[in-house]
Amino acid sequence: GAGVSQSPSNKVTEKGKDVELRCDPISGHTALYWYRQSLGQGLEFLIYFQGNSAPDKSGLPSDRFSAERTGGSVSTLTIQRTQQEDSAVYLCASSLLPRGQPQHFGDGTRLSIL
Amino acid sequence: DQQVKQNSPSLSVQEGRISILNCDYTNSMFDYFLWYKKYPAEGPTFLISISSIKDKNEDGRFTVFLNKSAKHLSLHIVPSQPGDSAVYFCAGGLGNFGNEKLTFGTGTRLTIIP
Repeated sequence: GAGVSQSPSNKVTEKGKDVELRCDPISGHTALYWYRQSLGQGLEFLIYFQGNSAPDKSGLPSDRFSAERTGGSVSTLTIQRTQQEDSAVYLCASSLLPRGQPQHFGDGTRLSIL
Repeated sequence: DQQVKQNSPSLSVQEGRISILNCDYTNSMFDYFLWYKKYPAEGPTFLISISSIKDKNEDGRFTVFLNKSAKHLSLHIVPSQPGDSAVYFCAGGLGNFGNEKLTFGTGTRLTIIP
């Protein structure tokens, strides 16, 4: 498809399990971003990729969170030993450079930790 | 530290009238601002942006106004239509390399009354 694709759309897992979320950006977009939206909150920045490198990881909440991007395309966000406070919608976005181009979002992964 | 604030969680407007959504920010370093619209279970959709060197940008029914001295921006939708009912987020962006993230407000839920 032409848009940002995220999978799975929903994920329910038990506390303490690891989860992996996937993002497939728009073809040709070199910049990729992960955000999350907790209930009643705005979008919270997690990490930004330019190509395969991550110049800004400042939003990752703890060392249980990690992300990688391979081939300048698909990215995975991994959360280890999930906690209930990790429950949120995780959104991925991509954009063209130069800077200031709008970010285009996927529909997100709704993560629920039981 | 909430750098971008949307103080009205909700707004109801009669169809055909003007909708005005407001946003305040504290970070004077933002280079550009964007408005996104979000329907339930979908990712945010880019609506309109404005550079910090401008005070107005118009695109069809949507106009964004920026008052830098007041650190305030607003989105005007006229005439409002039922399909405009959604949550609207404003966001500020920094244009320097390595600092690409957007900082979002908490959103305003707009309901258009037929």
